[in-house]
Amino acid sequence: SQTIHQWPATLVQPVGSPLSLECTVEGTSNPNLYWYRQAAGRGLQLLFYSVGIGQISSEVPQNLSASRPQDRQFILSSKKLLLSDSGFYLCAWKGSSSYNEQFFGPGTRLTVL
Amino acid sequence: GQSLEQPSEVTAVEGAIVQINCTYQTSGFYGLSWYQQHDGGAPTFLSYNALDGLEETGRFSSFLSRSDSYGYLLLQELQMKDSASYFCAVRDRNTGNQFYFGTGTSLTVIP
Repeated sequence: SQTIHQWPATLVQPVGSPLSLECTVEGTSNPNLYWYRQAAGRGLQLLFYSVGIGQISSEVPQNLSASRPQDRQFILSSKKLLLSDSGFYLCAWKGSSSYNEQFFGPGTRLTVL
Repeated sequence: GQSLEQPSEVTAVEGAIVQINCTYQTSGFYGLSWYQQHDGGAPTFLSYNALDGLEETGRFSSFLSRSDSYGYLLLQELQMKDSASYFCAVRDRNTGNQFYFGTGTSLTVIP
């Protein structure tokens, strides 16, 4: 069966510090991978998605970047965090184009102070 | 661009039926999904509609009208555990890989 892992679960970082959030998927090959951010009480905002190793599509210009160094690994990074980067970050995967269901990881709650 | 509208809050009685509506505007439409999210948790998939009509999965049903750019999620025989946020999401046709979520509807089930 497939599983998706995210870490850390919670993170408190000062403004201007770097960020690295990791997501890994097990039990599937060549998944589509996604990073979303959810502000408190709000919907999910698509940040990045990837259809393969090294292929990253960015949805909104921002202070963040993403990388996919391996088939089942997706990393969200920032060189200098802003207060507005606080939120709940969710990684998700989906099978090939014929599938519609996304599977979400447990999320990382980031607080920037 | 894409925009999706849902009611922000709905309250219903245990055992009753509730309908959560979603209207969308998108440059390319592939299908409409519904997700459930409990407080502090990850969203979980409920249903997907690509064609007009009703899809039924147990106590949950989802409806789509492509001509009206409208869909709804119907929850029957409400249980206390159904208290959660519900999101509709549009699958973008241009790439088939992007999903855009509504702002969510917070459902509270009361005894």
